[in-house]
Amino acid sequence: GAVVSQHPSWVICKSGTSVKIECRSLDFQATTMFWYRQFPKQSLMLMATSNEGSKATYEQGVEKDKFLINHASLTLSTLTVTSAHPEDSSFYICSARGAPDRGYGDGNTIYFGEGSWLTVV
Amino acid sequence: LAKTTQPISMDSYEGQEVNITCSHNNIATNDYITWYQQFPSQGPRFIIQGYKTKVTNEVASLFIPADRKSSTLSLPRVSLSDTAVYYCLVGRLSGGYNKLIFGAGTRLAVHP
Repeated sequence: GAVVSQHPSWVICKSGTSVKIECRSLDFQATTMFWYRQFPKQSLMLMATSNEGSKATYEQGVEKDKFLINHASLTLSTLTVTSAHPEDSSFYICSARGAPDRGYGDGNTIYFGEGSWLTVV
Repeated sequence: LAKTTQPISMDSYEGQEVNITCSHNNIATNDYITWYQQFPSQGPRFIIQGYKTKVTNEVASLFIPADRKSSTLSLPRVSLSDTAVYYCLVGRLSGGYNKLIFGAGTRLAVHP
């Protein structure tokens, strides 16, 4: 079964509004979570790395004020797309670094959520 | 971070063995090699991970030569449901390195 869960699976929002996507590790505590973005027929693009209790590290070209990431607990990270525009419409995927002490990888494995489709109209 | 190169696409037929090779000439000493499978509108699913030689699990095998500059994912007896995009990732999540970058992936189409 899934070890990382995202919610919502899909969301439609109006241009100019903000939308939040949640990412939860279900069976282990994830000190590190990652957020990716994927356009149709393209590969995943890493947006930011989220470490529990500290500020996220954003990849070059990703606006940190637009894509707010919060990793307030060891099982939850959130991505908030602020003032969304149609060009922000995409498939957003989170992942969590596995926990060897819980039998999830050896520390070099990340497990992905189901993804969240965002459509901005 | 080591860059990976994979074939853009591959075709196979049900019941055949499929081997997808990934080149990673700049792999670092502590890097691991991980393969993921992705279906449309789903998050990638972990398939297999290795560091050197051969790794086998219930769904695939991973062959890594001694120089580690390439790796081959082997899928035995594929079925239609194996049609997906397969990604090879090289990296590590320790020692100050804290991210895994996806390459373009290989689109595998399995035909009846």
